[in-house]
Amino acid sequence: QVQLVQSGSELKKPGASVRVSCKASGYNFIPYSINWMRQAPGRGLEWLGYIRPSTGRPTYGRGFRGRFVFSLDTSVSTAYLQISSLEAGDTAVYFCARDRSYSAYDYWGQGTLVTVSS
Amino acid sequence: QSALTQPASVSGSPGQSITISCTGTSSDVGAYDYVSWYQHHPGKAPKLMIYDVSNRPSGLSNRFSGSKSGNTASLTISGLQAEDEADYYCTSYTNSDTVIFGGGTKLTVL
Repeated sequence: QVQLVQSGSELKKPGASVRVSCKASGYNFIPYSINWMRQAPGRGLEWLGYIRPSTGRPTYGRGFRGRFVFSLDTSVSTAYLQISSLEAGDTAVYFCARDRSYSAYDYWGQGTLVTVSS
Repeated sequence: QSALTQPASVSGSPGQSITISCTGTSSDVGAYDYVSWYQHHPGKAPKLMIYDVSNRPSGLSNRFSGSKSGNTASLTISGLQAEDEADYYCTSYTNSDTVIFGGGTKLTVL
């Protein structure tokens, strides 16, 4: 069965970096883009962007260019989200999801809580 | 790009029908038939309920339906059940090759 399994919770200090992984299984990884979303405490879902395993090309949402970097290791069907220069406002649950059709996210990871606190 | 506009909350009694609206612009909702809806229970991953405006994923209850008119999409839930109580989000693909979420709607089943 299709699964996306994310790495565990992280506690980081402001200014540090974090990498969240999203390992896919149960389907051909290449044809489907992996999208990243987040939900800050008390807030709604927010789209960060996506990366296409077929090309390795990332696309970032407005406000997420620069400190946010998407990458892949297709040999292990895994996508990564790296966030640098962490700020308190980056505290959120981060989700990866498979896109079956232009914002149709049919499978999601379980979410990774990233807490930024001094 | 601002978030798509959804009502903050809606409510209904068991067995009733409710509709949640999602208003965007001619650059997103109005530009493509790529509107999706998600059900989100706190602490869990969101669940795809409708994609491409009106398509249901395999196995999903036909109590959930979607539609679109101009720049506004809608999700209708008929025969409300207690387990439908959750947050609901719409999304739309945009002409910038990005995706935009709605602000979310909290559904309360009375």
